[in-house]
Amino acid sequence: DTAVSQTPKYLVTQMGNDKSIKCEQNLGHDTMYWYKQDSKKFLKIMFSYNNKELIINETVPNRFSPKSPDKAHLNLHINSLELGDSAVYFCASSPPGLAGGPRDTQYFGPGTRLTVL
Amino acid sequence: GDSVTQMEGPVTLSEEAFLTINCTYTATGYPSLFWYVQYPGEGLQLLLKATKADDKGSNKGFEATYRKETTSFHLEKGSVQVSDSAVYFCALSDLPPHGNNRLAFGKGNQVVVIP
Repeated sequence: DTAVSQTPKYLVTQMGNDKSIKCEQNLGHDTMYWYKQDSKKFLKIMFSYNNKELIINETVPNRFSPKSPDKAHLNLHINSLELGDSAVYFCASSPPGLAGGPRDTQYFGPGTRLTVL
Repeated sequence: GDSVTQMEGPVTLSEEAFLTINCTYTATGYPSLFWYVQYPGEGLQLLLKATKADDKGSNKGFEATYRKETTSFHLEKGSVQVSDSAVYFCALSDLPPHGNNRLAFGKGNQVVVIP
């Protein structure tokens, strides 16, 4: 199946731990994203990579570090987890848009529900 | 910066009722506009999109028209079904010089359709 996949789907951990979430897309896209969805369903972009290069880095604590080993993967590593990090994290990808033209659709993974105890 | 505003609060309605979810936007350029839907326990899926003024996006009985004069992209469906129960997000994609595809989302509206 062509899709955006994330692992794990659920992640429960203690405060202070370090954890990683993996994302892979087999759609041949060159841009990938991480979003955070809070308990009120509000979605906010965290990072974006284009061809393994970081192009969007919102105001996110530096405990969060994205890593893109290749165009098809964008992993999210979180150090020293805090209670406020509990959320659903979505990975997404998109093909390139035409310069100056319409932006294309983003395709989302199923999400990783992170619970910090 | 660019932003999207959706009407406040959940929407509860009966099966076969008419659904409208309002969405207005603020953008400096000519963004693309999207409606995404999130079914319970799932990720977001594109529902429809429009890339320029007066374009109408449509899918699964849902429609939205890109209105530049009112900076709006309201979502409508003439007759909803229980299976339409989900959270609906309006979004825009900006056009910075370097060609990013950043999506700015509205806060989402929970739609509950009662049989």
